[in-house]
Amino acid sequence: AQSVAQPEDQVNVAEGNPLTVKCTYSVSGNPYLFWYVQYPNRGLQFLLKYITGDNLVKGSYGFEAEFNKSQTSFHLKKPSALVSDSALYFCAVGGFSGGYNKLIFGAGTRLAVHP
Amino acid sequence: NAGVTQTPKFQVLKTGQSMTLQCAQDMNHEYMSWYRQDPGMGLRLIHYSVGAGITDQGEVPNGYNVSRSTTEDFPLRLLSAAPSQTSVYFCASSYRALDLGTSGRDTQYFGPGTRLTVL
Repeated sequence: AQSVAQPEDQVNVAEGNPLTVKCTYSVSGNPYLFWYVQYPNRGLQFLLKYITGDNLVKGSYGFEAEFNKSQTSFHLKKPSALVSDSALYFCAVGGFSGGYNKLIFGAGTRLAVHP
Repeated sequence: NAGVTQTPKFQVLKTGQSMTLQCAQDMNHEYMSWYRQDPGMGLRLIHYSVGAGITDQGEVPNGYNVSRSTTEDFPLRLLSAAPSQTSVYFCASSYRALDLGTSGRDTQYFGPGTRLTVL
């Protein structure tokens, strides 16, 4: 079965430190991978995606993610965290065999950046 | 553009009641979808549509109906509400399915959500 795992419910980081939010996936075929962010009482906002090409993808607000096919991972990173980055982050996968028009989301990771 | 709009923002139903959650977009997007968000489970796809007159089931379609008579609107119907349908519902749209477009049109836009409680 197709699945996406975000192994950490919460990540705590001090402001100014680098942050990583982890995502691994298990799908057949060559997946498309996405990161979304959700601020309190809001809908999701697109951050970045990997379709093909360079394994390092840069997105909005200084975030980037690295696609690692051998480890089936797509971790979200930022070199220097801001308090305003505190939010709920979702990894999603699409384009898999038998589910071309569907996205599967991970359970989400809450990022807390402390001053 | 208003983007993706959803109504109502909040709704409380009794078990067995029916209702329709409204979703509209003014961006001429082909693809629209409905998700439910439950704590610890992320977003799960209920139904989706790749164009007017075309709908298909997602991961959790039971208890929900959809139709797509126009490009702009994609209502979600609960025919007989159950407590298990208590959730936050999000509608989303994109120019084409799975954000495969180019030239800046390649993102999925989410509505603000509808918080539904079924007693």
